[in-house]
Amino acid sequence: QLQLQESGPGLVKPSETLSLTCTVSNDSISSDDYYWAWVRQPPGKGLEWIGSIFYRGNIYYNPSLKSRVTLSVDTSKNQFSMKLKSLTAPDTAVYYCARLGTLGRNWFDPWGQGTLVTVSS
Amino acid sequence: EIVLTQSPATLSVSPGERVTLSCRASQSVGSNLAWYQQIPGQAPRLLIHGASTRATGIPARFSGSGSGTDFTLTISSLQSEDFAVYFCQQYNNWYTFGQGTKLEIK
Repeated sequence: QLQLQESGPGLVKPSETLSLTCTVSNDSISSDDYYWAWVRQPPGKGLEWIGSIFYRGNIYYNPSLKSRVTLSVDTSKNQFSMKLKSLTAPDTAVYYCARLGTLGRNWFDPWGQGTLVTVSS
Repeated sequence: EIVLTQSPATLSVSPGERVTLSCRASQSVGSNLAWYQQIPGQAPRLLIHGASTRATGIPARFSGSGSGTDFTLTISSLQSEDFAVYFCQQYNNWYTFGQGTKLEIK
């Protein structure tokens, strides 16, 4: 059964850069059928798609975050990562990684357990 | 950006009841709509995709319907484990989510 696990710091200072990694287990990240995505959820609020990456390197970003986010993939480690720069308090959220289908099957399934990132000095 | 509006925000119901949750899109998304369940402290779980297709392992008491701009998620007989927050998501034009409907025990 496919599993995803986020890793990264729980606390980051304002203006700094957040780096998170998602490790994919029990399946290869090098699939033509799926993208790999990041979604975040501020405390008590809804979900926001951050961006998606294909194992060949195709990348798609939410326009609202595009200027601050960078996604990458490491097929040798079966991992993908995100960096979000110039952090402010509204970036405080639970960050999830998830598998995203391609070719009209663009739903998120499954999801990692999520990691809470707090932006505070 | 396609905005998804879910209603109601909170619904107080009793176990065994039938409930219907609504998701309305600001423009047509065809049938490119999914529903997720989120139990507090857990990651979202896919329930429905393609507006009406149950995901693998999802009980038959969950059903989805609609197309275009108006969608519903129906739970035919609420079980204790169904008290959670439900989100809709469109994938017709990138990806956006509704703000969620919380089902709470009456």
